[in-house]
Amino acid sequence: GDSVTQMEGPVTLSEEAFLTINCTYTATGYPSLFWYVQYPGEGLQLLLKATKADDKGSNKGFEATYRKETTSFHLEKGSVQVSDSAVYFCALSDENTGGFKTIFGAGTRLFVKA
Amino acid sequence: EAEVAQSPRYKITEKSQAVAFWCDPISGHATLYWYRQILGQGPELLVQFQDESVVDDSQLPKDRFSAERLKGVDSTLKIQPAELGDSAMYLCASSRGRSPGYNEQFFGPGTRLTVL
Repeated sequence: GDSVTQMEGPVTLSEEAFLTINCTYTATGYPSLFWYVQYPGEGLQLLLKATKADDKGSNKGFEATYRKETTSFHLEKGSVQVSDSAVYFCALSDENTGGFKTIFGAGTRLFVKA
Repeated sequence: EAEVAQSPRYKITEKSQAVAFWCDPISGHATLYWYRQILGQGPELLVQFQDESVVDDSQLPKDRFSAERLKGVDSTLKIQPAELGDSAMYLCASSRGRSPGYNEQFFGPGTRLTVL
């Protein structure tokens, strides 16, 4: 079945460092891909998405490119801030084979130090 | 700004007891989801409603879990009897339509259940 694998955390960075959180997926069709963020004490919220190959999703300085050839959707940010400390979830939805279900990775916790 | 409301935020119960969680989605959102998130894992879909109809409950343990959305607005998720393994965060989400690629899911703050 469809699945999402993301790098284990926690990831600890200093402020203004470059961030990469790796995400790879397995899907039989052509899924939409998502990154969700969960700040401490809050619900999940959509950070960015891409619905077809080579699309780049971006929001709040974060970006991720849908790479079909490597089945990847890595999250990047050029300069992280303390306020970016949160748990980040990679997810997919494959409507052609998986219905309207969203499948989430296990999450990667990010700590940013001042 | 409209939000998904959930109550209670925290629930502690003993095994074999019944528990219920409530969710009020964003007004106008036809699709409602209940997820279970075990500590250290990502959310897993339990049940999805389109209006008042269940469209996916393939991962719902139907021997002990039930969910309803009688008027197609708010929803209740029930567990009876609760087991130790049910300890988790229960998340409710809503969206305007079923397609996640084109309809953003908005999540509530969750109900943290602890079963003793």
